[in-house]
Order: sequence, then C-alpha cells, then structure tokens
Amino acid sequence: ETGVTQTPRHLVMGMTNKKSLKCEQHLGHNAMYWYKQSAKKPLELMFVYSLEERVENNSVPSRFSPECPNSSHLFLHLHTLQPEDSALYLCASSQLPGPLKLFGPGTRLTVL
Amino acid sequence: EDKVVQSPLSLVVHEGDTVTLNCSYEVTNFRSLLWYKQEKKAPTFLFMLTSSGIEKKSGRLSSILDKKELFSILNITATQTGDSAVYLCAVEASMTGAGSYQLTFGKGTKLSVIP
Repeated sequence: ETGVTQTPRHLVMGMTNKKSLKCEQHLGHNAMYWYKQSAKKPLELMFVYSLEERVENNSVPSRFSPECPNSSHLFLHLHTLQPEDSALYLCASSQLPGPLKLFGPGTRLTVL
Repeated sequence: EDKVVQSPLSLVVHEGDTVTLNCSYEVTNFRSLLWYKQEKKAPTFLFMLTSSGIEKKSGRLSSILDKKELFSILNITATQTGDSAVYLCAVEASMTGAGSYQLTFGKGTKLSVIP
C-alpha cells in the first residue's frame, strides 16, 4: 500500500446513481490529481489541485465534479455517468515543484 | 497538442534477455521525462530525466534522455519474471496555474518475461 489511499477500490454503479470516490494522503504534499485510465488509452489527467485550488480542468464532462476540502483529501463526485466512463480512476499526489511520484491504488469503476 | 509515443506496445522475452523500450515525445514547455512501472494498479515511479546524455541507473534498469532528438530509452538487463509489467513513459510540462505541471503519458509498453 502506497502513501496515497483510495476508496472504494471497486465500484459498480448504474447510470442514474450518484457516488463519490475518495483519495487521502498524509504526506504533506501540496498537489493532488485525478487521472483516468481506460483500456488501450494513455493515462489522462482530469483535475489538478495545487494548494487546495483547482488549477486544471482538462475538458472533463460536468458529470465529474472534484472537491478538495483540504490538502489531505480529494474527492471525485460522480453523477449520471455513461458506460464509457468505466475505467480505472487514479489519484496521485506530489510535493511541487517536484515530480509526480506517488499514485494511489485506484478505483476500478464500472458503469452499467 | 503534447504527444508521447512508446514502442513497442508489447514485448515478450525470455528470462535473462536484455530489452530496450522506446519513448518519443513532442511537448511544449518541457520540464522532465519520467518512467513508471505499472504491475496491477498504481504506477510506481522509476526515473526522472531532465538533462540529455546523463544515464540514470537503478540495479538492472537504466534510462537515458536525448533532448535534441526528443526521445528516451529504458533498458532492462538480465530480465526476470518480476519485470513483467506495463512500462509507462510520461513527459512533464509546465502549465498555467499555481506553478504546477502536467504529465502527458504514452500508452505504455507491456513487457512479458517468460521463464
């Protein structure tokens, strides 16, 4: 287990459900990230929070809504998802200006 | 648009072989190139390269960057079954915001080492 934890590790949801993914780090890092990894596609950056402020929203559909209440926690709120949103969602953290070295174990999301 | 291309996409070798994985890139505001190993879920960090020609080594793994030709290679010598994984190359570039950086990933090279 790395220093970044994610819950849940697996999630199956219907298209009308609302759920949230949680990420936590107690390493004192000042930046947190959400990445999406779909089959046969590169890891895609979704959101970046630096010092609790969102600094990047990479053209992500509004059905994904991030929240960073403090420097240790990051959430990804999900609502009315589509089957093509099924993927591995990875949280990561880093101490800027250093490189991104630490990923969480990911949440495997399946949308039915 | 930033782009990172890895080759080959998959590779099968026997234990003891030496492999070379390739990564080429087109990125504006280049800062560094990173290699990760992804076995099941979380990618784990291997190397960060910022300067051309300086080889980074960690045991049987080594990597080098060519900033003029815009590519990097990752070498694994005397491969073992435990080296089986997807190896990801990513390029870090500066972006607008509070001094943060964006990583653009390649699709990865799936390495399978058979006994």
